[in-house]
Amino acid sequence: AQKVTQAQTEISVVEKEDVTLDCVYETRDTTYYLFWYKQPPSGELVFLIRRNSFDEQNEISGRYSWNFQKSTSSFNFTITASQVVDSAVYFCALTLLGGSARQLTFGSGTQLTVLP
Amino acid sequence: DAGVTQSPTHLIKTRGQHVTLRCSPISGHKSVSWYQQVLGQGPQFIFQYYEKEERGRGNFPDRFSARQFPNYSSELNVNALLLGDSALYLCASSLVFGYVKNIQYFGAGTRLSVL
Repeated sequence: AQKVTQAQTEISVVEKEDVTLDCVYETRDTTYYLFWYKQPPSGELVFLIRRNSFDEQNEISGRYSWNFQKSTSSFNFTITASQVVDSAVYFCALTLLGGSARQLTFGSGTQLTVLP
Repeated sequence: DAGVTQSPTHLIKTRGQHVTLRCSPISGHKSVSWYQQVLGQGPQFIFQYYEKEERGRGNFPDRFSARQFPNYSSELNVNALLLGDSALYLCASSLVFGYVKNIQYFGAGTRLSVL
């Protein structure tokens, strides 16, 4: 069975600081996809990024960047120059190629609070 | 274009009652999934449907059931409600089924409180 661990329950930073959210996953499958979602207080999960298990290139999108390291089974997310609007719960998730369903397995989330 | 819509947004029930939650996927999306999110935890997979057929089921009791309609909308039914069923129920839709790279887009959820 697969598992996603987000050890940081809550993080608080001051605006303009950089912050990294950690994600460690476990799976025996060799083909899988990793995702990050953002959940603001409204409740809707907002898709941020998808990365497949064969692509270990880091990705940058504006103030967001992602570091995927297969050797350590980690898929960490960094927000540069954080803003108050970044305050939300962030979830890392995994889906496998094998099996009949394409369900997402989520971590427990990291509550990020950006203070003005 | 409208995103995933869920109704109702909030619901209060008492133990033993039955509840029906509804979900309309993004236009053109044919697969719908349901997740339960208990306060302080990540979402847990309940069901996935594609072309009106159940394609996956999570570790939930038989009190939970779902169906998908010809227009791809979906209902989640929960019988004999327990206090522990209190949660945010999220619906997600994706374009097709079978591609592991599918992105699931989520609605804002239905918050169910069981008293």
